[in-house]
Amino acid sequence: GAVVSQHPSRVICKSGTSVKIECRSLDFQATTMFWYRQFPKQSLMLMATSNEGSKATYEQGVEKDKFLINHASLTLSTLTVTSAHPEDSSFYICSASFTGGTDTQYFGPGTRLTVL
Amino acid sequence: EDQVTQSPEALRLQEGESSSLNCSYTVSGLRGLFWYRQDPGKGPEFLFTLYSAGEEKEKERLKATLTKKESFLHITAPKPEDSATYLCAVSHLSGSARQLTFGSGTQLTVLP
Repeated sequence: GAVVSQHPSRVICKSGTSVKIECRSLDFQATTMFWYRQFPKQSLMLMATSNEGSKATYEQGVEKDKFLINHASLTLSTLTVTSAHPEDSSFYICSASFTGGTDTQYFGPGTRLTVL
Repeated sequence: EDQVTQSPEALRLQEGESSSLNCSYTVSGLRGLFWYRQDPGKGPEFLFTLYSAGEEKEKERLKATLTKKESFLHITAPKPEDSATYLCAVSHLSGSARQLTFGSGTQLTVLP
């Protein structure tokens, strides 16, 4: 149980294009999903908290117009990187926690974004 | 502000050589302390949640313990497949959301 999937696992795009990453909780409902970014040899950096049916809450320094988050259902959240640039290249990971459950977050396998 | 510090940054063990990883934390009202394992190029895998001082949890060769200031992840007779980065995190409230603050991790290498 508690399986979270991400799609795609790897994406390469040209500078200026937009990329959408999907995060799904496969066997549970998640009122809250989280989006993280991880640079090589570093720990996870929280970008935003995504709540089903409401606007996402972004961490300080994260551009909400650049990283669009939509949490349309209890099992799906999407992150769209708009007008991507090489500095947006990174490993993006989502997580989800059970609706009404503990604070435990279950993580997806991550998406490697490379912007050329 | 919540802080999580993990030590050592890196640890190399011989197969079968037991050791411990440390996670010290400063948090206003601990809601939970979490241990995850992360393999290169993958998302973190949940291992344990600890809620109160004195609590212990075990899974195969791993045992996590919690005090009021720190947590230890004990690895008994490790195998090469235990090689990974181990992350510690604490839970706190931000608005209505329960967020995790992560430490920088301990990179464990177990040599055959």
